[in-house]
Amino acid sequence: AQTVTQSQPEMSVQEAETVTLSCTYDTSESDYYLFWYKQPPSRQMILVIRQEAYKQQNATENRFSVNFQKAAKSFSLKISDSQLGDAAMYFCAYRSATGTSYGKLTFGQGTILTVHP
Amino acid sequence: KAGVTQTPRYLIKTRGQQVTLSCSPISGHRSVSWYQQTPGQGLQFLFEYFSETQRNKGNFPGRFSGRQFSNSRSEMNVSTLELGDSALYLCASSFVIAGADTQYFGPGTRLTVL
Repeated sequence: AQTVTQSQPEMSVQEAETVTLSCTYDTSESDYYLFWYKQPPSRQMILVIRQEAYKQQNATENRFSVNFQKAAKSFSLKISDSQLGDAAMYFCAYRSATGTSYGKLTFGQGTILTVHP
Repeated sequence: KAGVTQTPRYLIKTRGQQVTLSCSPISGHRSVSWYQQTPGQGLQFLFEYFSETQRNKGNFPGRFSGRQFSNSRSEMNVSTLELGDSALYLCASSFVIAGADTQYFGPGTRLTVL
């Protein structure tokens, strides 16, 4: 079974600064997808960024980028120019690309990000 | 395009009762997944439906069941409610859940069991 670990329960950053959230995962599969989701206090889960394991290039979405290290099974999220609206719980998630793991996202425990003005 | 909608948003039940939660996916999406979110266990996968068929199921007791209709709307049912069933129930929809298909989440239903 796959597991996802987020070792930072809480992180904080000053507005306009950069912060990196860590995520490691354990899997024996070679083909999979990784995601970062954001859950603000409203509880609506929002996709931030996704990465296909077969792609070596790190995904980027505006101020959000990932550092995907497949061999190390590491998938960190970097938020540049942090904004107050970035404050939320961030979840790292894994989804298998094979077998019958349809729809099953395996989530980490989450990291609460606080942004200070 | 409208997002994923879930009804009701809040629900209070007592132990032993049963409850039905509803999820309407994004138009055109055929896959619906359900998750339970609690402070202690985090986010856990319940089941996934595609074209009215359950294709995958998480490790939950048989009291948790679901179904999907021909218009892709999905319901989940919890029978004989227990205090530990208090949670935020999230559903997520995607086109076909193949490849890098992304799941889009609804706002959730907050269930409180007294």
